Amino acid sequence: AQSVAQPEDQVNVAEGNPLTVKCTYSVSGNPYLFWYVQYPNRGLQFLLKYITGDNLVKGSYGFEAEFNKSQTSFHLKKPSALVSDSALYFCAVRDPFSSSGGYQKVTFGTGTKLQVIP
Amino acid sequence: NAGVTQTPKFRILKIGQSMTLQCTQDMNHNYMYWYRQDPGMGLKLIYYSVGAGITDKGEVPNGYNVSRSTTEDFPLRLELAAPSQTSVYFCASGYLAGGADTQYFGPGTRLTVL
Repeated sequence: AQSVAQPEDQVNVAEGNPLTVKCTYSVSGNPYLFWYVQYPNRGLQFLLKYITGDNLVKGSYGFEAEFNKSQTSFHLKKPSALVSDSALYFCAVRDPFSSSGGYQKVTFGTGTKLQVIP
Repeated sequence: NAGVTQTPKFRILKIGQSMTLQCTQDMNHNYMYWYRQDPGMGLKLIYYSVGAGITDKGEVPNGYNVSRSTTEDFPLRLELAAPSQTSVYFCASGYLAGGADTQYFGPGTRLTVL
């Protein structure tokens, strides 16, 4: 069964400093990986995804994520944090070999709250 | 484009009541989903649809029903509401690109069952 873990409930970072939000996964095959962001009282918004190719994926709002197969990780990064980046971040994984009725299930992590301190 | 819209935004139900959560998307996506989000628990898939007329159960379908008569609409029906169904409900739509679908979420419906 596929799973995803976000080991930190909350990450605090000073504005202007680099930020990292951690994600590890477990799938039986090669994973499809996603990051979504949720602002207060809003739905999730897609940030970026990894399907294949370059291990460094660039996404919206200056975010990027690095796929590391040996460590089964897909950490979200940004070189310089903004106060407006404060939100809840979700990692998600899909195992392309796990299919039921034509649908490949996506498993979401429990979320990491990012707090950027001015 | 309005994207994915959900109504209502908030609702309080009494135990045993029923209601329908509405979801509409205007992006012509084939895939649609219903999730519930409980505090500290991430998102759990309730039902999904891969096209009009086709629906299937997700991880936590008990107590819910769906229909998909058109590409645009994917209503979620709660029958005999229970306190365990207190949650925030998100509808999403998506399309396949490169073998994986990107999902677009609505703003959510906050449901309380008392």
